[in-house]
Amino acid sequence: AQSVTQLDSHVSVSEGTPVLLRCNYSSSYSPSLFWYVQHPNKGLQLLLKYTSAATLVKGINGFEAEFKKSETSFHLTKPSAHMSDAAEYFCVVSPRLSGTSYGKLTFGQGTILTVHP
Amino acid sequence: DVKVTQSSRYLVKRTGEKVFLECVQDMDHENMFWYRQDPGLGLRLIYFSYDVKMKEKGDIPEGYSVSREKKERFSLILESASTNQTSMYLCASSPLGAGSYNEQFFGPGTRLTVL
Repeated sequence: AQSVTQLDSHVSVSEGTPVLLRCNYSSSYSPSLFWYVQHPNKGLQLLLKYTSAATLVKGINGFEAEFKKSETSFHLTKPSAHMSDAAEYFCVVSPRLSGTSYGKLTFGQGTILTVHP
Repeated sequence: DVKVTQSSRYLVKRTGEKVFLECVQDMDHENMFWYRQDPGLGLRLIYFSYDVKMKEKGDIPEGYSVSREKKERFSLILESASTNQTSMYLCASSPLGAGSYNEQFFGPGTRLTVL
């Protein structure tokens, strides 16, 4: 079984300040973890993914996330927010499988990021 | 770039109508998925398909069916639309194999309103 909890439904920051979006997960298997972003009226775009290599993962647009197994967390951060970062963000967990198996994605409830000028 | 397209961005239907949502991907992916997205609930899997003519139920299949006659196309069917099926519907695809780590590629979504 697997589950994801995004600890904040809404986060509001000022432009130029740091962003922290929190995510905790549980999984019976070694997990793959993802962050997706959805801008208004758009589909989901992959920001970054953790797949058992480095625990600090760098993604697009200056975002990064750190896998902490002891805390079962995968928080998303960015040093300096930009207006274009305003969107909804989803933390996602999946069992890391080999071969040709399908691994189900489990999505968090989403965090809406607002960026003020 | 992987491209997943959905036939409509916005759709308005009446209760009881049969509704078809179409999804096409151009990257020869084996897996295709249909999700619905509702505020505060994230994305929930309706159905997925790992091969032509193959389908598996997801978490919320009731009231829906699917069809996959060709590898690139995956259709979601609402046999008799109801107001509680008003939602955003997202299609996704992913390649098969260990290297993919289950990353999925999403279409832009269809916002369906059932009156």
